[in-house]
Amino acid sequence: NAGVTQTPKFQVLKTGQSMTLQCAQDMNHEYMSWYRQDPGMGLRLIHYSVGAGITDQGEVPNGYNVSRSTTEDFPLRLLSAAPSQTSVYFCASSHTLPGTYSKEQYFGPGTRLTVT
Amino acid sequence: DQQVKQNSPSLSVQEGRISILNCDYTNSMFDYFLWYKKYPAEGPTFLISISSIKDKNEDGRFTVFLNKSAKHLSLHIVPSQPGDSAVYFCAAVISGTYKYIFGTGTRLKVLA
Repeated sequence: NAGVTQTPKFQVLKTGQSMTLQCAQDMNHEYMSWYRQDPGMGLRLIHYSVGAGITDQGEVPNGYNVSRSTTEDFPLRLLSAAPSQTSVYFCASSHTLPGTYSKEQYFGPGTRLTVT
Repeated sequence: DQQVKQNSPSLSVQEGRISILNCDYTNSMFDYFLWYKKYPAEGPTFLISISSIKDKNEDGRFTVFLNKSAKHLSLHIVPSQPGDSAVYFCAAVISGTYKYIFGTGTRLKVLA
């Protein structure tokens, strides 16, 4: 049981380049989400998904796209990278069982992205 | 507009004493609150949570208190241990959604 995995661990992009950050979980969690962590800003929600085929925007969605074609995978796409997207990105997942307050999220180890 | 605030960026406590980390929120639609711990170069790990229908939840050395009228929650760690040194984030969930809003974090240092 690997939990939540993220690839790559580190990435350097030039302004305007595109890339996809990968996230996978093997816990059969319905809910998956992406956050970015910046100094002094805490973790900010980018996009989230409550199941395959269902995605929604978080606090800071601009410049990012997501899709959820399977329960296991939730990739984050940067279509045209900007220096403002330099950050550490975390993926997380949890169950969304009806009627439960168990909203504990499991986080991946993070991807450190630098855009020059 | 920061809906979840952790006003103390850092806190130092002697080993064995109590650590109290505080969190304030502004949105009355939050109905679930969580605390996470984060070590450098790792993802956050869940510590403890509390529903808005409760005012206290305990798990071992960790207790979370919720004061809804003051829109304030706190995490108590007793006794504090050097391994507790980390950044602690509080988070809140908007009722009926899965939108988690995190605070900016408090760096706890437990001195041996």
